[in-house]
Amino acid sequence: KQEVTQIPAALSVPEGENLVLNCSFTDSAIYNLQWFRQDPGKGLTSLLLIQSSQREQTSGRLNASLDKSSGRSTLYIAASQPGDSATYLCAVATDKLIFGTGTRLQVFP
Amino acid sequence: NAGVTQTPKFQVLKTGQSMTLQCAQDMNHNSMYWYRQDPGMGLRLIYYSASEGTTDKGEVPNGYNVSRLNKREFSLRLESAAPSQTSVYFCASSENWGSNEQFFGPGTRLTVL
Repeated sequence: KQEVTQIPAALSVPEGENLVLNCSFTDSAIYNLQWFRQDPGKGLTSLLLIQSSQREQTSGRLNASLDKSSGRSTLYIAASQPGDSATYLCAVATDKLIFGTGTRLQVFP
Repeated sequence: NAGVTQTPKFQVLKTGQSMTLQCAQDMNHNSMYWYRQDPGMGLRLIYYSASEGTTDKGEVPNGYNVSRLNKREFSLRLESAAPSQTSVYFCASSENWGSNEQFFGPGTRLTVL
């Protein structure tokens, strides 16, 4: 059974720091991996999707990498801002989308 | 282009009452999904519809039914609500089932007393 784990569960950093959020999964047979952002009381916003054949994807200050063989993905946030404060979820697509429980990020001024 | 919309945003029910959560998407997607989100549990798939006219059970289907009314709309029904169904419910859609990027609605916060 596919299991997705995100570490750390919570993170609090000062503005300007570069961050790495981690996601690990137990079964490497995936179609893709998706990173989402969720603001309190809101829905999920898709940030990046990495197909199983890709190694990384970039969007602005965000960079996500995928190492299928080791069952790991990282989301790198450069020069963090208070507006980046949210919960970040990763999800792997097999025949269904399996979610991790998220990393709650707080960036303070 | 509204994406995925859900109604209602909030709902309070008494145990045993029934209700239907509505979801619609305007992206011409073939596949639609219903999830619930609970603290410490992450999002879990309740039901999905890979294409118009088909529905299948997800991880936690007990106590729920779904209807894929047409390509745009996918509803979730609670026939006899229980306190264990207190949760936030999200609808999502994707171009096709399995490998495509999923887009989520804003959610329905349901409390069952």
